[in-house]
Amino acid sequence: DAGVIQSPRHEVTEMGQEVTLRCKPISGHNSLFWYRQTMMRGLELLIYFNNNVPIDDSGMPEDRFSAKMPNASFSTLKIQPSEPRDSAVYFCASSFTLFNQPQHFGDGTRLSIL
Amino acid sequence: KQEVTQIPAALSVPEGENLVLNCSFTDSAIYNLQWFRQDPGKGLTSLLLIQSSQREQTSGRLNASLDKSSGRSTLYIAASQPGDSATYLCAVNTGNQFYFGTGTSLTVIP
Repeated sequence: DAGVIQSPRHEVTEMGQEVTLRCKPISGHNSLFWYRQTMMRGLELLIYFNNNVPIDDSGMPEDRFSAKMPNASFSTLKIQPSEPRDSAVYFCASSFTLFNQPQHFGDGTRLSIL
Repeated sequence: KQEVTQIPAALSVPEGENLVLNCSFTDSAIYNLQWFRQDPGKGLTSLLLIQSSQREQTSGRLNASLDKSSGRSTLYIAASQPGDSATYLCAVNTGNQFYFGTGTSLTVIP
């Protein structure tokens, strides 16, 4: 079984550039979550979707962050423009249902903004 | 806002020892609680999920308990092995948000 697939695994870019992170959830999973992990703040939930619809984006830090889920097998997290403080590991996770089932995580995208 | 704390931040034990990891949360109005392990450079792997109506869950050498009224959960690992070395995180689900602890880094010494 393929797990949650994230790309790229690593991204290094300069401040001000647009960054797009991609996620393919596990087939059949209806819920998708985007997280950010830093040493200072730990793991933070940014936004989650259910049946491709954004349910709660209260964790998105600023308007520079946006996320979409155009279909059940693909989601993107975009940062525009990027800043050095956005450097972190970004994880995507999926689950069968929104709250009752375990979440399955991808291996993350390590983002460095210079 | 829910706050989730894990103590200790790091733990080192000899192989074969039984151990307990702790997770505490400030608001007892939770939907469920999940334990994860994270290996370096990897995502999180779900270990056990306890619904708010349950007291414990078991999987192999792992047993997780939940005491909502006191705001505590424990993860018991029996007969620890070097392969158990990882960071263990607990996550509280309030029904519309997930709050993670900062984790306990476990090292099992052969």
